[in-house]
Amino acid sequence: DAGVIQSPRHEVTEMGQEVTLRCKPISGHDYLFWYRQTMMRGLELLIYFNNNVPIDDSGMPEDRFSAKMPNASFSTLKIQPSEPRDSAVYFCASGRDRVNEQFFGPGTRLTVL
Amino acid sequence: DAKTTQPTSMDCAEGRAANLPCNHSTISGNEYVYWYRQIHSQGPQYIIHGLKNNETNEMASLIITEDRKSSTLILPHATLRDTAVYYCIVSSNFGNEKLTFGTGTRLTIIP
Repeated sequence: DAGVIQSPRHEVTEMGQEVTLRCKPISGHDYLFWYRQTMMRGLELLIYFNNNVPIDDSGMPEDRFSAKMPNASFSTLKIQPSEPRDSAVYFCASGRDRVNEQFFGPGTRLTVL
Repeated sequence: DAKTTQPTSMDCAEGRAANLPCNHSTISGNEYVYWYRQIHSQGPQYIIHGLKNNETNEMASLIITEDRKSSTLILPHATLRDTAVYYCIVSSNFGNEKLTFGTGTRLTIIP
């Protein structure tokens, strides 16, 4: 299995622009998670899905962030408009059955200038 | 989630066993102990988990005390590739329980 795939791996954009991060979970996994990691705040859970349905989005920082999972093999995290404080590494993870055994992707390093 | 306490950093000589402690004195009866690690510039990696019995897999062993208030992750023969931040997390497997990553232990394997 190829593991969790994220794209792009690096993204540099200017403040105010829309940013879309993409994730392909491991085939057969029915849980998908989006995390954000910064030096200041560590690794934070933003939102997670079960069977393509958002279960908990309490970690989404504000309305500028949105996430979708249109099918079992694809999810997006969108930031519109982006701000410099959104600069971070964004990880996608997937899991099966047990919520807490998660497989992480390589991450997307986002820099907002 | 129950709170965990881990040392900020540890060193271990290459080839020796690395023993990483974790205190979780407020753990409840249905909560598991999970260990993840994060190698520099990579996503976190699941290592092992347990409820109350000791567990072993191809990566590590997990020793949980009888009162379940603490645990130790053991990497039997540490290599340079084991240098990483190791996270101890307690969480149940029920409902919408989530993983909450703390600051972890930065383990450095010394050649």
